[in-house]
Amino acid sequence: AQTVTQSQPEMSVQEAETVTLSCTYDTSESDYYLFWYKQPPSRQMILVIRQEAYKQQNATENRFSVNFQKAAKSFSLKISDSQLGDAAMYFCATVPSGTSYGKLTFGQGTILTVHP
Amino acid sequence: DAGVIQSPRHEVTEMGQEVTLRCKPISGHDYLFWYRQTMMRGLELLIYFNNNVPIDDSGMPEDRFSAKMPNASFSTLKIQPSEPRDSAVYFCASSGTEYNEQFFGPGTRLTVL
Repeated sequence: AQTVTQSQPEMSVQEAETVTLSCTYDTSESDYYLFWYKQPPSRQMILVIRQEAYKQQNATENRFSVNFQKAAKSFSLKISDSQLGDAAMYFCATVPSGTSYGKLTFGQGTILTVHP
Repeated sequence: DAGVIQSPRHEVTEMGQEVTLRCKPISGHDYLFWYRQTMMRGLELLIYFNNNVPIDDSGMPEDRFSAKMPNASFSTLKIQPSEPRDSAVYFCASSGTEYNEQFFGPGTRLTVL
């Protein structure tokens, strides 16, 4: 079984500044993936970044990067040079890989507000 | 590719009526998922299919809910009879075997009066 916890219901950041969203998880799987999804007001779920648990190197996608601490089961998202379009609900999620692949388990979400 | 397609985008119905939500996954994807999003429960998996076969339906709330995938390009989620507590956004997602990313449709906002 997997659980994902996002302890920050809301966060805010000034445009052009950096913000970090926290996520912790628990899983009984030996191999798994971690994701951050963004859900703007349009409600479309958009994949922001993915991390394979077996890789030690932190994933990076342009202004988005993660700090993956496997032993601590922590997976935070850093957004650099924040833009108004980054305002959204952000969900952390995990899924087992390999033959156990299937259900995505989501955290409760963090609402990010970006101030101009 | 057009992405995952869901219809309708919005559905308003009265309690007791039958509701059918539709999904067309991304071509070539062999996994299809139905999720429900509510304020109280967040995002939760209802059921998923692999190669058109239901694999895990443990998230389906009760017998009023049923899902089918008659072929690789179409799935339905049916609620009969609908109740006000079924009001939510229902997402369909699909993925391929090579990657673990799930691509979501735009969702169907269901309101049961």
